[in-house]
Amino acid sequence: NAGVMQNPRHLVRRRGQEARLRCSPMKGHSHVYWYRQLPEEGLKFMVYLQKENIIDESGMPKERFSAEFPKEGPSILRIQQVVRGDSAAYFCASSPTSTGGGNQPQHFGDGTRLSIL
Amino acid sequence: GDSVTQMEGPVTLSEEAFLTINCTYTATGYPSLFWYVQYPGEGLQLLLKATKADDKGSNKGFEATYRKETTSFHLEKGSVQVSDSAVYFCALSDPETSYDKVIFGPGTSLSVIP
Repeated sequence: NAGVMQNPRHLVRRRGQEARLRCSPMKGHSHVYWYRQLPEEGLKFMVYLQKENIIDESGMPKERFSAEFPKEGPSILRIQQVVRGDSAAYFCASSPTSTGGGNQPQHFGDGTRLSIL
Repeated sequence: GDSVTQMEGPVTLSEEAFLTINCTYTATGYPSLFWYVQYPGEGLQLLLKATKADDKGSNKGFEATYRKETTSFHLEKGSVQVSDSAVYFCALSDPETSYDKVIFGPGTSLSVIP
């Protein structure tokens, strides 16, 4: 997991609060992916971003969730008005390019474990 | 849509036993196939990959062969160690997208006991 940095590692929020999850991709990587892992389940794709652009957000809930990857700084996954069902591990991955066909394996961070009280 | 199915866990094996974790997929095209491993408290690491039919991916004693006729990519290792205890995810890269969108299976938990 060297290189992709996620913080915080653990985040506790009360219902109705906002959660901000940060991801700094590996050096030289300009493509970022966010996944959610619910307990006892696999990873579900949420959103794919390039610098300053959202390319595919088809896996992200339409309400309360948003993501950005600004020109400077980390990618942010933001969850507003959190509910108990948002409790999960959120993983970020990055790649240097993304051309399709599985030729660019994604490098994962260690995740943020979000707990909603 | 595209999907990945894995054998249910947890799987518990004794050290030096033979490991097989079954994986089958559904895809409209010819995807690339992957196995990722997740150690406790960590993110996923790519274990091996295969990009076309009959390719064999291998790493750290693990192997998997891309079988187009059976749409399978079973993971095998001849002699497991305690350090192999982890969750293993089979995955495919969706061939219908222009970028490397990965679809994961639900994961199979492996515990190796001394």
